[in-house]
Formats: sequence, structure tokens, C-alpha cells
Amino acid sequence: GAGVSQSPSNKVTEKGKDVELRCDPISGHTALYWYRQSLGQGLEFLIYFQGNSAPDKSGLPSDRFSAERTGGSVSTLTIQRTQQEDSAVYLCASSLGDYHTGELFFGEGSRLTVL
Amino acid sequence: GDSVTQMEGPVTLSEEAFLTINCTYTATGYPSLFWYVQYPGEGLQLLLKATKADDKGSNKGFEATYRKETTSFHLEKGSVQVSDSAVYFCALSDSTQGGSEKLVFGKGTKLTVNP
Repeated sequence: GAGVSQSPSNKVTEKGKDVELRCDPISGHTALYWYRQSLGQGLEFLIYFQGNSAPDKSGLPSDRFSAERTGGSVSTLTIQRTQQEDSAVYLCASSLGDYHTGELFFGEGSRLTVL
Repeated sequence: GDSVTQMEGPVTLSEEAFLTINCTYTATGYPSLFWYVQYPGEGLQLLLKATKADDKGSNKGFEATYRKETTSFHLEKGSVQVSDSAVYFCALSDSTQGGSEKLVFGKGTKLTVNP
């Protein structure tokens, strides 16, 4: 398909384990975002990649969270030593990087449950 | 920091009723304003936007006007349909963020429309 693809769609893990979430953005989109959606908390910004610029990591909640984007395309969000409070839906979005359009294209998310 | 406050839900209406979802914002610069919608089982998608004061964004019968004097961007629809049942998110993108499209979202308002 032509949309943003995320995998896995659902992940159940035990506390303390590491998880990796993958995002495949729309081809040609230079900007990529990760957000976290928790019940009653709305969307929380995590990290933003734009082209070859240094990523904006200002939203990462702790040093257990990291993300990389290889070749300007696919991105992986890694959560180390997961905690129960990490349970949420992790959303990836991409855009053309065209300033001021504000149109982000979202994937359907990866639902993470930490037991 | 920038923030968005929207009315808490859930909101339940009968078909053909009038809808208002309030949204106010706080921003250090001159933001662009957006409404995103998340239909059940789908990713977020842009509903409408406005980039300067007094602009009106509109789409699918929904409207919102950028009111700088009241820092508001309320979403309205004159006659809702069952198919409008979704979660609605108000968001802003601050123009002082060096061209970043990083969006700050409200917590979302769940709308249910009954036949």
C-alpha cells in the first residue's frame, strides 16, 4: 500500500524486556515522527527526523527510548528494559517536510502491552 | 511550552444535531492550527487547517475559524451523521520552531453519533 506501515500491530512483552517497533514511511517523505498515544493522555511527541538533520529527540521520556532512521526511510523505535508505564499505542507519521502544511500521514500504530 | 486544550468527552449526539468541540491553545509564536480525526480502526488523518488569524478551515461539512484574540479554534458541524463518530484532535504547529512540522496535540474528544 501507499500509506505509512507500522509493525508489529500488537506486541505483548514482559517487564524488563527490550522491544523494537518499525515504521515504513510513505515513499518520498523526508520527515518522520514518532508519537505515543496513551489512554486519556492524547498524543505525546517522542522524536522527529527531517532529512539528514540531527533528529529532534526532545520528547523521548527517558534514556531507555531511542530511535534511528536508516537511509532516510525506515525507522525503528527501541524501548529497552520495558516498564508497565510504557504500555501505549506508538504512532508513526511521515510528511513531505513542506513547512507549514501540517499534514502528517499516520500509520495505524503499534499497540504495546507490558505485563 | 506550547499546549492545546480541548473539551473533554465523550460527546454523544443524535443524528442531525449541531456539533461544537472547543479548542484553545497557548503558543509562543504564531501557530498554524489543525483538526485531525481518528475513525475507529484507522490512523489519524487531517480534517482541516488554518494558518493565519481569521482563516476558516473547512472539510466534509466541518468548519473551524482561527481566532487569535481568543486563542481558539473550535470545531463545528451543523448536522452530524453516524459516520462522523470518531475521535477528534486539535493541534498546533508553531512557526517559530525553525520550520519543524512538529505538532502539539490536544487529548482528543470522542464523538458518538446515534441514529
